Amino acid sequence: EPEVTQTPSHQVTQMGQEVILRCVPISNHLYFYWYRQILGQKVEFLVSFYNNEISEKSEIFDDQFSVERPDGSNFTLKIRSTKLEDSAMYFCASIIGPAYGYTFGSGTRLTVV
Amino acid sequence: AQTVTQSQPEMSVQEAETVTLSCTYDTSESNYYLFWYKQPPSRQMILVIRQEAYKQQNATENRFSVNFQKAAKSFSLKISDSQLGDTAMYFCAFPRSGNTPLVFGKGTRLSVIA
Repeated sequence: EPEVTQTPSHQVTQMGQEVILRCVPISNHLYFYWYRQILGQKVEFLVSFYNNEISEKSEIFDDQFSVERPDGSNFTLKIRSTKLEDSAMYFCASIIGPAYGYTFGSGTRLTVV
Repeated sequence: AQTVTQSQPEMSVQEAETVTLSCTYDTSESNYYLFWYKQPPSRQMILVIRQEAYKQQNATENRFSVNFQKAAKSFSLKISDSQLGDTAMYFCAFPRSGNTPLVFGKGTRLSVIA
């Protein structure tokens, strides 16, 4: 069964450093999303991406965040200057259409120290 | 605004028994999809079951089934013959419309006890 692949699975970074989280969505999917989940809390939407541009973003997705689809397969989330409160699990998801459900990657656990 | 409410933060069930997790939601859309996701300790998000709002028939996937009450905006998940591997967080979620991002409930932590 096709999968959404995320790398790395775990990243530790110092406060103020830039991090790039990578995702490879399922190849025929058209809509891509980033979510985050702070430990013990609910899953929060960050940004959605369609047709090579941001289609929607939440208030969490401020100027410190950016997304790219640099080569038609990878879908990246960049955090420019990490803060302690950015420590969370970050999930990438993709869909071809809602009837088939949203497929999530296995997540990247980001720890900012 | 669309919201999802899971009123049971934690539940437990004996192995082989049946358990029902509740979910209510709010939307002004007439046609939409509803989902239950399972998040085991590995923290991966796994789709358990989905329901199309225009279908009156409740969705079923093996031991998992839903009780969908559209007028009441209720979408509960029933797990039959619970297994130890069902121990996980369960999230109810739906997109505001079409392909928009999922709105998640706060989750229910289910423990299956041997």
